[in-house]
Amino acid sequence: DTGVSQNPRHKITKRGQNVTFRCDPISEHNRLYWYRQTLGQGPEFLTYFQNEAQLEKSRLLSDRFSAERPKGSFSTLEIQRTEQGDSAMYLCASSSYFGSQYFGPGTRLTVL
Amino acid sequence: QKEVEQDPGPLSVPEGAIVSLNCTYSNSAFQYFMWYRQYSRKGPELLMYTYSSGNKEDGRFTAQVDKSSKYISLFIRDSQPSDSATYLCAMSEDGTASKLTFGTGTRLQVTL
Repeated sequence: DTGVSQNPRHKITKRGQNVTFRCDPISEHNRLYWYRQTLGQGPEFLTYFQNEAQLEKSRLLSDRFSAERPKGSFSTLEIQRTEQGDSAMYLCASSSYFGSQYFGPGTRLTVL
Repeated sequence: QKEVEQDPGPLSVPEGAIVSLNCTYSNSAFQYFMWYRQYSRKGPELLMYTYSSGNKEDGRFTAQVDKSSKYISLFIRDSQPSDSATYLCAMSEDGTASKLTFGTGTRLQVTL
């Protein structure tokens, strides 16, 4: 069990560019979650998948954000036309159906 | 008003002290309660998971839930410098804990 992994760990981009992050969950977990955390705040829920189905999306997830989990394994989170307000830590977590969520190390995004 | 309130601290205690961390919540639908520890620039790490009102103990950690008062606590006995981190409470309405709502986190510093 290697835990949840996320890539890249850091991403610096210019305003208006598109960025994509990847999350690899713990192998036997069928649920995968994305959260966003800004400085001094707790993580905020964005969306989650059960297998390949996206079951819930937060109102925080604007049209510029899209998440996929095509084969029920890894997931990607894409942000189009990035804005400075998108600067945050993007956290991925995974769990089994009734299990607790285990978090990855996060991807820190800086939008210049 | 946020659904989950948590004093951000910082809280500074000497090594060996008993630490008390607390959260209050307003959503009576929350049924499942978790405590996570987060070191700087890392992802949250699950410490405790509780469901019913009462106490749950795990080593130096005790989680307490009072649903009638909408109040949860985490106690750390014999605190160590390695306990210095941000402690996040998290809550969920359903048993599968699909969406977690976090507090802002309390920053704890344990000094020698």
